[in-house]
Amino acid sequence: QVQLVQSGAEVKKPGASVKISCKASGYTFTNYYIHWVRQAPGQGLEWMGIINPSGGSPTYAQKLQGRVTMTRDTSTSTVYMELSSLRSEDTAVYYCAREGSTYYYFDYWGQGTLVTVSS
Amino acid sequence: QSALTQPPSVSGSPGQSVTISCTGTSSDVGGYNRVSWYQQPPGTAPKLMIYEVSNRPSGVPDRFSGSKSGNTASLTISGLQAEDEADYFCSSYASSSTYVFGTGTKVTVL
Repeated sequence: QVQLVQSGAEVKKPGASVKISCKASGYTFTNYYIHWVRQAPGQGLEWMGIINPSGGSPTYAQKLQGRVTMTRDTSTSTVYMELSSLRSEDTAVYYCAREGSTYYYFDYWGQGTLVTVSS
Repeated sequence: QSALTQPPSVSGSPGQSVTISCTGTSSDVGGYNRVSWYQQPPGTAPKLMIYEVSNRPSGVPDRFSGSKSGNTASLTISGLQAEDEADYFCSSYASSSTYVFGTGTKVTVL
């Protein structure tokens, strides 16, 4: 069965960076795009970006350009999301999500990773 | 990219129908038939309920239906059940490989 398993919770100080992993299993890793979505406490979902595990440049939300980097390791079927220059507003649960086979929707989600930014 | 607009909350009694709207622009909802809906009970990851405006993934009850008119998409839950109580979010493709989510709607079963 399709699974996306994310790394554990992180606590970071303002100005630091965080790197979260998302390990895929149960399907052919390179056949499906992966997105990152975050959700601040009590707030809505915010799309962060998309990466093609087959290669090519990721696309990032304009708001996060310059601070976010998405990468992938095909040998371990894992995608990574690194966010730098963290600020308190980056405190959120971060999800990875697989794009569906007919595109433009998210059919499987990771369990979420809580990132807390606090001095 | 601005978030799509949803009502903060809707409610209904068991067995009733509720409809959640999702309003965007011609650059997202109105420009593409690529609207999806997600259900999120508290403390859990979102779950896909509707894709491509009106398609249901296998396993999603047919009480859930989607539609779109112009820049507004809608999710209707017919025959409301207690287990439907959750937050619901819409999402739309918004060109150049970018996406936007709705502000979210809390569905309460009275």
